[in-house]
Amino acid sequence: SQQGEEDPQALSIQEGENATMNCSYKTSINNLQWYRQNSGRGLVHLILIRSNEREKHSGRLRVTLDTSKKSSSLLITASRAADTASYFCATDPLLTSGTYKYIFGTGTRLKVLA
Amino acid sequence: DSGVTQTPKHLITATGQRVTLRCSPRSGDLSVYWYQQSLDQGLQFLIQYYNGEERAKGNILERFSAQQFPDLHSELNLSSLELGDSALYFCASSSGGYPGNYEQYFGPGTRLTVT
Repeated sequence: SQQGEEDPQALSIQEGENATMNCSYKTSINNLQWYRQNSGRGLVHLILIRSNEREKHSGRLRVTLDTSKKSSSLLITASRAADTASYFCATDPLLTSGTYKYIFGTGTRLKVLA
Repeated sequence: DSGVTQTPKHLITATGQRVTLRCSPRSGDLSVYWYQQSLDQGLQFLIQYYNGEERAKGNILERFSAQQFPDLHSELNLSSLELGDSALYFCASSSGGYPGNYEQYFGPGTRLTVT
C-alpha cells in the first residue's frame, strides 16, 4: 500500500450521523493534515496535527493520531449534506536522503444523504 | 475563495504540444506547489518553489518543468504532451517553506485535456 491510504474508499451516511474515516501511512512523519475536496474543485485545509499530538478538535471535526500504529482518523460529527466531499490525509514522510516529499492519500468519498 | 488564482481554467490541446499553466499565490505566501490529479494516479505532488528557489521535487516528469518568478507567481510547463497527461493541475501556496508545517491554499485548478 502507498503512503497515506484512506479507509473506507467510500462512505454513505444519513444527515445527523457521524462519519469516521481513517488514514494509514508507512514511514515516520512530522505532521499530518486533512483536506476536503468538493467535486472537481481545489482542496480546502481542515486541520493539521503534529506528530507529538494525539488529538485535535476543530468545530465538528475531531482528528486523532496514533504514531505507533501509523494511523490517523477524522471524525465528523452531526454530518450535514454540505459535508459531502472527498477527504484526504496528507503526510510529510522523512526520507533517508534528508529531503522530503508531500504525499496525499487516496481519499475517502463521503456522501451525506438528506 | 482561497486567494490563489490559476489560468487558464480549461485547456484542450493535441498530443506532442506544449502548454504553460500559470499560478498566482495568495498575497504574502512565498511557497508555491504544483499537483496533478487524475483518476488513476490520484493527487500527486509535482514540485514546490519557495521564494524563487526549487524546494522539493515529487513525481514530476522530465517533460514537465516549473519556475517561480520574482513577483512569486509560478508557471508549470508541460511539453511533448501525451494522452496520459490529461488531468486537473492544481497550484497551492503557503506562507512557509515546509509543507507539512503550514496550511496550503489551493487554487481552482486547470483542467487539461490532451486529444
